[in-house]
Amino acid sequence: SAVISQKPSRDICQRGTSLTIQCQVDSQVTMMFWYRQQPGQSLTLIATANQGSEATYESGFVIDKFPISRPNLTFSTLTVSNMSPEDSSIYLCSGSGSAYTETQYFGPGTRLLVL
Amino acid sequence: GENVEQHPSTLSVQEGDSAVIKCTYSDSASNYFPWYKQELGKRPQLIIDIRSNVGEKKDQRIAVTLNKTAKHFSLHITETQPEDSAVYFCAAITFSGGYQKVTFGTGTKLQVIP
Repeated sequence: SAVISQKPSRDICQRGTSLTIQCQVDSQVTMMFWYRQQPGQSLTLIATANQGSEATYESGFVIDKFPISRPNLTFSTLTVSNMSPEDSSIYLCSGSGSAYTETQYFGPGTRLLVL
Repeated sequence: GENVEQHPSTLSVQEGDSAVIKCTYSDSASNYFPWYKQELGKRPQLIIDIRSNVGEKKDQRIAVTLNKTAKHFSLHITETQPEDSAVYFCAAITFSGGYQKVTFGTGTKLQVIP
C-alpha cells in the first residue's frame, strides 16, 4: 500500500488569502485525488489530479478556485484560492496504486480554518 | 451520475453483537466497492473491498456482500469490540483503463457499547 503525507497538517488563514496544500506519496501512483470533508460528514471529491495534464473537476468545483498541480507520479498540490469562511474544512488527498488496482489510500488530511 | 445511499446513519450495538451497514448504488457500471473506517481525527482506512465479479468476501470478523442485480452491498462486522467504534464509509467506484469515478456514501457512525 502507498504511504501518503500532507503538508500542512493544519492552518488558520485570513479571508481573501490562498493556501497551497502538498501531497507526497512514497511510491508512484497512477491516480491522485483531492477531497473535502466537513466535520462529521462524508468525503466530497473535488478533482482528480492528472499527471501532465489539467485536473478533472467535479460538479461544483472550478479550477480558478481550486487550482491543482501534479508534476510527477508522486506529488500533487491543491491551492484553495481567495478563501472565505465557507472553505473551512478538512482537505484530503488520496492515491491509487497503479493502472491495475482501484484501491485508494488517503493522506492524513489538512485542517483549514478561514477567519 | 452515481448516487450512493448508506444506512443507518448511526448504529449502536453491544460488545460481541454483530453490526450490519448497507449501501445502495445507482450506476450499474460501478465495479469496485471499498469500505473505509475513519476514527475521529484520523484518515479513512480501507478495511475491506469487493469487486463486481464476486458476491462475498471475508476477512476475519469483517465481511462484505454484493448483490449486483439489486445494486446493493453490505458490511458485516461480527463479535464487535469497542475499538470497532468509528465512522464507516462505503464507496462505489467505476474503474476502467486507469480511470476512476468514485462516489462515497454518507457514512455510518458505529458505537460499540462495552
